[in-house]
Amino acid sequence: QVQLQESGPGLVKPSQTLSLTCTVSGGSISSGGYYWSWIRQHPGKGLEWIGYIYYSGSTYYNPSLKSRVTISVDTSKNQFSLKLSSVTAADTAVYYCARAPYGGNKVGAFDIWGQGTMVTVSS
Amino acid sequence: QPVLTQPTSLSASPGASARFTCTLRSGINVGTYRIYWYQQKPGSLPRYLLRYKSDSDKQQGSGVPSRFSGSKDASTNAGLLLISGLQSEDEADYYCAIWYSSTWVFGGGTKLTVL
Repeated sequence: QVQLQESGPGLVKPSQTLSLTCTVSGGSISSGGYYWSWIRQHPGKGLEWIGYIYYSGSTYYNPSLKSRVTISVDTSKNQFSLKLSSVTAADTAVYYCARAPYGGNKVGAFDIWGQGTMVTVSS
Repeated sequence: QPVLTQPTSLSASPGASARFTCTLRSGINVGTYRIYWYQQKPGSLPRYLLRYKSDSDKQQGSGVPSRFSGSKDASTNAGLLLISGLQSEDEADYYCAIWYSSTWVFGGGTKLTVL
């Protein structure tokens, strides 16, 4: 069964770049058929989609974050990554990686999620 | 006005049914969209429950009991999540989502209390 695990610093200074990696186990990113996503949840709040990537490198980003977000994939390591630049306290959140099936020109639900990692932006 | 609006809370008794609403902003026709529902228990990660667009276009998440079902109310432009035979373990936050304007949009979530 496919599992996702986020990793990265839990504390980032304001104005710096938040960098997280999601390692996929039990399946290969390069097999295709899925979009690999980042979603965040501010403390006590709802879910916010950040963006996702296909194994080929094709990306979609949330327009509200697009200017600061880069999602990349490393198929050799079976990982995908998030970089969020110029962070502020408003970027403090739990960051989840998740998988969404792709087929018939449609992307489906986020059916598998990582456990999430808390990132705090503070000096 | 948000794209998706959900009531902040809902209470129901064990064994009863719960009806969650996810209202689409005026001008966004619920009939056009697949509505996705997620459950998030306290301290846990979200879990995909189901997708509903129509009776011919719906999907139950893996391992999700049939007492969870989806529907729509065109008169109020809302997607619905129905849970029958409520159990204490159903106490959680429930989020709806749609793919809108090349973006995944989530509702603010509804907290279900089973008492």
